[in-house]
Amino acid sequence: TQLLEQSPQFLSIQEGENLTVYCNSSSVFSSLQWYRQEPGEGPVLLVTVVTGGEVKKLKRLTFQFGDARKDSSLHITAAQPGDTGLYLCAGWNRDDKIIFGKGTRLHILP
Amino acid sequence: ETGVTQSPTHLIKTRGQQVTLRCSSQSGHNTVSWYQQALGQGPQFIFQYYREEENGRGNFPPRFSGLQFPNYSSELNVNALELDDSALYLCASSLERGGEKKQYFGPGTRLTVT
Repeated sequence: TQLLEQSPQFLSIQEGENLTVYCNSSSVFSSLQWYRQEPGEGPVLLVTVVTGGEVKKLKRLTFQFGDARKDSSLHITAAQPGDTGLYLCAGWNRDDKIIFGKGTRLHILP
Repeated sequence: ETGVTQSPTHLIKTRGQQVTLRCSSQSGHNTVSWYQQALGQGPQFIFQYYREEENGRGNFPPRFSGLQFPNYSSELNVNALELDDSALYLCASSLERGGEKKQYFGPGTRLTVT
């Protein structure tokens, strides 16, 4: 069974601080996606990474796909209260099926 | 705003009953997927429909079934409801563009089984 482990499960930090959340697996994925989900809403796609070692930036968010395509990280610089939410990673496997991690619940304190 | 809508927003059912949840896909998307998201968990893939036929299924029993209609709206049906079926049910319509799979999620239906 393929699993995606996300860490930490919960993170509460002050506005302006930097943070990194992780998504790890023992399995290889053809691509990996990061979503953000807010209460009462469905997940919203932030980024897709496909190539091992790939780095993508979205304003203050930096996403990296591991060289072996088994893990990924999301780094947020100078966190803001608007970054609060549930961050989910999701991997697409060779059978074209998607597997989600349990998420990291991030809370930015003003 | 993803253009994907779901109804109803909330629903309370009793164990053993049947339920139908509805999803209206984003215009032009011919693939729809359904997910179950239990409290504190990530979404779990239930099944996917492409052009009105199921073309992928997760580890859910046959009492979870679905339909997709020619206008790409879809339904999730769950028979013989169990307490553990209480969850947020999400649908996502999708389009593959340039090799990237983009899914657009609806806001979900929160089902409570008592």
